[in-house]
Amino acid sequence: AQSVTQLGSHVSVSEGALVLLRCNYSSSVPPYLFWYVQYPNQGLQLLLKYTSAATLVKGINDFEAEFKKSETSFHLTKPSAHMSDAAEFFCAVSDSGGSNYKLTFGKGTLLTVNP
Amino acid sequence: EAGVAQSPRYKIIEKRQSVAFWCNPISGHATLYWYQQILGQGPKLLIQFQNNGVVDDSQLPKDRFSAERLKGVDSTLKIQPAKLEDSAVYLCASSLRGRGTEAFFGQGTRLTVV
Repeated sequence: AQSVTQLGSHVSVSEGALVLLRCNYSSSVPPYLFWYVQYPNQGLQLLLKYTSAATLVKGINDFEAEFKKSETSFHLTKPSAHMSDAAEFFCAVSDSGGSNYKLTFGKGTLLTVNP
Repeated sequence: EAGVAQSPRYKIIEKRQSVAFWCNPISGHATLYWYQQILGQGPKLLIQFQNNGVVDDSQLPKDRFSAERLKGVDSTLKIQPAKLEDSAVYLCASSLRGRGTEAFFGQGTRLTVV
């Protein structure tokens, strides 16, 4: 089965600093990868997804992620953090079991933004 | 476009009681998921429906959890009897069929078992 590993359960940055959230995947086939964000007491919202087109994927709120096959990584970045970015972020991989595609999530990374 | 609707938002029950959660997916979405999210962890898939058929329930504790999707639209997840370790947020999501399609999530139901 495919899986994702998120390095760092908690990342803290200052407002205006670079945000880097790490995700590595395990897959025997070309993966479909996703980043979701979860604000307090909310469901998950899609930030961006990689589906084998461009390796650099741009998402909402200036987030982007780069698919690196050689490193089996799909790290999420944002050049300048805002206070409103504070949330939990989840990396996910689309797993194929025959024709049924299961979405498997990592354990999440909590982002704190300090003023 | 209306999103995924879930109810209730919050539920507190005593252990050994039963509870049910309801989900109404986005219109036209064939795939429906129920996830369990324990505090501090990522969502764990409990069951996945394709229309009204179950395609994956490998992580559903079938001795106490059950789910159905009537007519391929609404879905209900039930726990009977509840245990303390069932305290979690239960998320419903739906998507169009196919790999790489986005799953849209409801706001979840926060269950506390005391």
